[in-house]
Amino acid sequence: DTGVSQNPRHKITKRGQNVTFRCDPISEHNRLYWYRQTLGQGPEFLTYFQNEAQLEKSRLLSDRFSAERPKGSFSTLEIQRTEQGDSAMYLCASSLPDLRVRYRVGAEAFFGQGTRLTVV
Amino acid sequence: AQSVSQHNHHVILSEAASLELGCNYSYGGTVNLFWYVQYPGQHLQLLLKYFSGDPLVKGIKGFEAEFIKSKFSFNLRKPSVQWSDTAEYFCAVRPGGSQGNLIFGKGTKLSVKP
Repeated sequence: DTGVSQNPRHKITKRGQNVTFRCDPISEHNRLYWYRQTLGQGPEFLTYFQNEAQLEKSRLLSDRFSAERPKGSFSTLEIQRTEQGDSAMYLCASSLPDLRVRYRVGAEAFFGQGTRLTVV
Repeated sequence: AQSVSQHNHHVILSEAASLELGCNYSYGGTVNLFWYVQYPGQHLQLLLKYFSGDPLVKGIKGFEAEFIKSKFSFNLRKPSVQWSDTAEYFCAVRPGGSQGNLIFGKGTKLSVKP
């Protein structure tokens, strides 16, 4: 499978514990995004990397959340001191650079299956 | 703040009925527009996208969408739905065109009765 891969698929943790999720993007995709989706809502943007640089962070990304992409390939999202409100599906997506300017085409994001976090 | 509105939370249709799902966004500048579909138990998949050019775009599985700039809309259509189209449909906008994140609507759940 050469799509976006996320691990684990499910995580149940006790409130106050730390959790870490991993995302492996499609190879050669230099953009990587993290989203959060709760029941009845669309995905909400958390953060975005271009190669190893974290270019944008949402206000949703509190200081308990940290994301890294150290070598510009896989990425990790860590949540410290989890709260029940953190329960959600965490989605990762990747894309090629937007070549619109040069080739008049654009890059869409490809999503992984997500990691479902339940905080009890 | 930039936002995407999907007017219908849940749509129920019989097979062969025509489908139109509404999507409106609030952003005055250049946008890229997308429709994603999420089948039960599966990940989000791209149905179609609009970047520039012909405002009527065709996607996979017989879906199409029309970008009407004056109405800030990007409605999704299909002339004849099938039971296999049962899924959740998300409209998404990327403001500014070339950089950054997607803003999603809340989604519309489509149930097609056989």
